[in-house]
Amino acid sequence: EAEVAQSPRYKITEKSQAVAFWCDPISGHATLYWYRQILGQGPELLVQFQDESVVDDSQLPKDRFSAERLKGVDSTLKIQPAELGDSAMYLCASSLSLYRDRVSYEQYFGPGTRLTVT
Amino acid sequence: AQSVTQLDSQVPVFEEAPVELRCNYSSSVSVYLFWYVQYPNQGLQLLLKYLSGSTLVKGINGFEAEFNKSQTSFHLRKPSVHISDTAEYFCAVSDLSGNTPLVFGKGTRLSVIA
Repeated sequence: EAEVAQSPRYKITEKSQAVAFWCDPISGHATLYWYRQILGQGPELLVQFQDESVVDDSQLPKDRFSAERLKGVDSTLKIQPAELGDSAMYLCASSLSLYRDRVSYEQYFGPGTRLTVT
Repeated sequence: AQSVTQLDSQVPVFEEAPVELRCNYSSSVSVYLFWYVQYPNQGLQLLLKYLSGSTLVKGINGFEAEFNKSQTSFHLRKPSVHISDTAEYFCAVSDLSGNTPLVFGKGTRLSVIA
């Protein structure tokens, strides 16, 4: 079964350093989401892509966070500089596929990247 | 805009007992409803979803949920839990366009006691 891939699974970095996360969605999924999940909370959207275009980045802290999906396939989320409050699980999800003329909007999540900022 | 309230942050239950995890939502438009499960240090796995039709939805691992539009609720139930059901459970909503971000509740930690 196809899965959303994310790497690294765990990342420890010092504050003020740069960090990057990678996501490879399920093949054929046009929509890609990055969510942030703080410990003890539900995931919250950071950015949504439709193919290579940003659909919604209203909750992305643009002074330090950036996201790209240059060829409309895999995506990178970057934080520079990292702050203590960025410690969280970063989840990637993909959706929007066509199968036998049926459109499916079900979101499939990757295993996440656990970031710890010290 | 939508919001989701999961009424219990933690639910302890003995093995083989029934369980209900409560979820209420708020929205000015019609919504799709979802329950996800998250095991430690893993991503989210879809348990079940309500899109339309029958208000009683059956999902994986023996879970089911009932959509109640008048009470804006979507409670998750299982008649007999197992130790392996210990996990975090999230209720989520999206609008009917489908291709929109999910809005999640804060989660309910289900702990099954042997």
